[in-house]
Parts: sequence; structure tokens; C-alpha cells
Amino acid sequence: ETGVTQTPRHLVMGMTNKKSLKCEQHLGHNAMYWYKQSAKKPLELMFVYNFKEQTENNSVPSRFSPECPNSSHLFLHLHTLQPEDSALYLCASSQDTGPRYFGPGTRLTVT
Amino acid sequence: AQTVTQSQPEMSVQEAETVTLSCTYDTSESDYYLFWYKQPPSRQMILVIRQEAYKQQNATENRFSVNFQKAAKSFSLKISDSQLGDAAMYFCAYRRASSGTYKYIFGTGTRLKVLA
Repeated sequence: ETGVTQTPRHLVMGMTNKKSLKCEQHLGHNAMYWYKQSAKKPLELMFVYNFKEQTENNSVPSRFSPECPNSSHLFLHLHTLQPEDSALYLCASSQDTGPRYFGPGTRLTVT
Repeated sequence: AQTVTQSQPEMSVQEAETVTLSCTYDTSESDYYLFWYKQPPSRQMILVIRQEAYKQQNATENRFSVNFQKAAKSFSLKISDSQLGDAAMYFCAYRRASSGTYKYIFGTGTRLKVLA
């Protein structure tokens, strides 16, 4: 285990549902990340938070809404998703610039 | 724009043998970092090794070493004495050296199979 946890590990949701992904780290890291991993595609950076402040938003659609209440917790709120949003969503954390430790991911299926 | 290319979708290696995974990248920057990440099946991705572009010496971490060819923009990963636990997806990644930069560019990955 890397010290980064994610819940839930699997999620199936309809296009009209609202759900949230949670990420937690107690490594004392100041930066947290959301990545999207799709088959046969490079890992896509979605959001970065540094000391609770969003520093990167990689042109992510507004149906994905991040929240970082403190340096240890990161959420990704989902609403009115599309089937093409089905993927593995990875959270990561680091002390400096760049993901050092990744969580196990949430496998999301949008039906 | 920077790009990272991993041209080998899948590789196989016999246990205890050596395997090399290739990675090429494109950038106009002179200072940057390169990384190899490992993602075992159903397990968390971890950083394996990193290389600073300004360092000529190739990075090594136990059985893992890199062959960094800056002029050729090549960054291959060599795994010596392969073990069953090395079976995983391996991702190459690039980051500019500018401070405050959090954006990594990842390749599409190489799946490594280790044969007993």
C-alpha cells in the first residue's frame, strides 16, 4: 500500500445520477491529483490541488467537480456523466511537484 | 507540445533474464525530468525511477536502471534479473523542470509479462 486510499473501489452509475469519489492521504503531502486512466490512452491529468488551492484544471468538463477541504482529503463530484466517462480514476499525492504515490483507483462505469 | 511515446504495448521476459522497455519523448526544453512508473495488476501505481535531464549519469535503483540518451530523446528502462513481481504496466512520464509545474505527460504504457 502506498498510503493513498480511494473509495469506492468500484462504482456503477446512470447518466442522471450524482455520486462522489473520495481520496485520502495521511502522508503529510501538500499536493493531491485526480487522473483519468482509460484503456490504451495516456494517463490524463484532471485536477491538481496544492495546499487546498486548485493549481491545475486540465480543461475538464464541468460535470466533474473537484473539492479539496484540506490537504489530506480530495473529492471528485460527478453528475450527468456520459458513457465515455467510464474509466479508472486515480488519485495521487506528493510533497513536491509531481505525483509520487497513487491510490488504487475507482473503476467507474457509466450506464 | 511535449509528447511521450512507448512503442511497445506488450513485452515478455523469462524470469531471471533482463528486459529493456523503450520510451521516446519530444520536447524543446533543455531541462526536464523523466520518470518510470509501475502499475501492477489491481495494485497501486508507484514511482520506480527518475532521471534529471541535466545529469549525464544514468539513474539506477537496485535492479532497475535507465539508459538516458538526451540527444536522441530516448529514455529506456532496463530490468535485470526479472522477477514474477515485476509483471505490471510500466509508464514513462515527462515533466518540465520549471518550479511549480505539476503537469506530467505520460506514455500509453507497456505491459510486461514475466514467464516462469
